[in-house]
Amino acid sequence: DGGITQSPKYLFRKEGQNVTLSCEQNLNHDAMYWYRQDPGQGLRLIYYSQIVNDFQKGDIAEGYSVSREKKESFPLTVTSAQKNPTAFYLCASSIALLADNEQFFGPGTRLTVL
Amino acid sequence: GENVEQHPSTLSVQEGDSAVIKCTYSDSASNYFPWYKQELGKRPQLIIDIRSNVGEKKDQRIAVTLNKTAKHFSLHITETQPEDSAVYFCAASEGFQKLVFGTGTRLLVSP
Repeated sequence: DGGITQSPKYLFRKEGQNVTLSCEQNLNHDAMYWYRQDPGQGLRLIYYSQIVNDFQKGDIAEGYSVSREKKESFPLTVTSAQKNPTAFYLCASSIALLADNEQFFGPGTRLTVL
Repeated sequence: GENVEQHPSTLSVQEGDSAVIKCTYSDSASNYFPWYKQELGKRPQLIIDIRSNVGEKKDQRIAVTLNKTAKHFSLHITETQPEDSAVYFCAASEGFQKLVFGTGTRLLVSP
């Protein structure tokens, strides 16, 4: 299961703290995505990036921020402004930012706010 | 924007039976419809997809059908096996760049 990795697997945060989730890929993919997965709500798009130094808000971007300084990396910061951050976070990548390009997912990070 | 509804939320079948999961979408401009499978504790993986110019696509025991007029598409699994137990997500394209996912169906195949 190489190709796209996320760390850590589990993350605990106190209320009011920012936390950064790591996502790295060695697939030479241009496009990267962050999704949030909650029970009964499927996968919801937080942010996505077409290329280095470019990213766009998804459907639920409030309280989150991202950066894309390197092609391989797309870290997600969950800020204290995110009102309900406890969730499972999935990173994905695809060859290009096209809807019909297969998205390859990382193993996910489970964030719990204490 | 696109809205995708998926039913049922849970589905229990006996090994060897068929399973059908249905999704409806709202945007008539959507033209790509993938299905992802997420086994327990693992990452989602693409299992089959269909484009709007095709009505049906098969890959061994799985098939997907698309009805553009009614704006719905379905995943069919025949001769189910315990290893088919997983959460299945449908999705529909929104514009040229994004996917909108359904809420998922938990399939349980009992031996």
